[in-house]
Amino acid sequence: AQKITQTQPGMFVQEKEAVTLDCTYDTSDPSYGLFWYKQPSSGEMIFLIYQGSYDQQNATEGRYSLNFQKARKSANLVISASQLGDSAMYFCAMREGNTGNQFYFGTGTSLTVIP
Amino acid sequence: GAGVSQSPSNKVTEKGKDVELRCDPISGHTALYWYRQRLGQGLEFLIYFQGNSAPDKSGLPSDRFSAERTGESVSTLTIQRTQQEDSAVYLCASSSRGDRFSGNTIYFGEGSWLTVV
Repeated sequence: AQKITQTQPGMFVQEKEAVTLDCTYDTSDPSYGLFWYKQPSSGEMIFLIYQGSYDQQNATEGRYSLNFQKARKSANLVISASQLGDSAMYFCAMREGNTGNQFYFGTGTSLTVIP
Repeated sequence: GAGVSQSPSNKVTEKGKDVELRCDPISGHTALYWYRQRLGQGLEFLIYFQGNSAPDKSGLPSDRFSAERTGESVSTLTIQRTQQEDSAVYLCASSSRGDRFSGNTIYFGEGSWLTVV
């Protein structure tokens, strides 16, 4: 089974609108972390936000928030007030705490912000 | 240096030649990862080093691929007898050892763009 699943290969959003990028995960480890990365066309991987499995509240970083639904094993990224510079690939990732420090990445979602 | 450093940044090689890609992780980071990313694709895990433990080589696609790392220092990814399908960006990342809450993100280098002609 895939550890991380991103079902949206491509998404479009109007500038200034909010967008949600989906991510579901699969693990039996009670201790894990969930991460989102942005990869612009230049290629570098930029860390956006982190959610720990024991965190009680959803993580937020500026315009990014993580909608963490533990029972459903989902960790959707919400970008508010989209900007043209948000156009990029977005990858969801998971790190399991007790079974090693391996990082698992999803296949990514390509986001295009329309002016 | 402050970040993960990879070299060369670009490499064009002839089919059948061997190539070596180098990664210098962030100082003090015990974990080091290699990923491959083909054009327009996601990240494909290759190999993972954690301190002096045996590496996780489960992602290496064939015996033409190998990687070494001595302790917590530089790593070298070697591709022997390169094929055209090896053309990709090879991304290296490092992190400090995760605590029980699995924090500590990985930090990526800018990648080595390999083109096999």
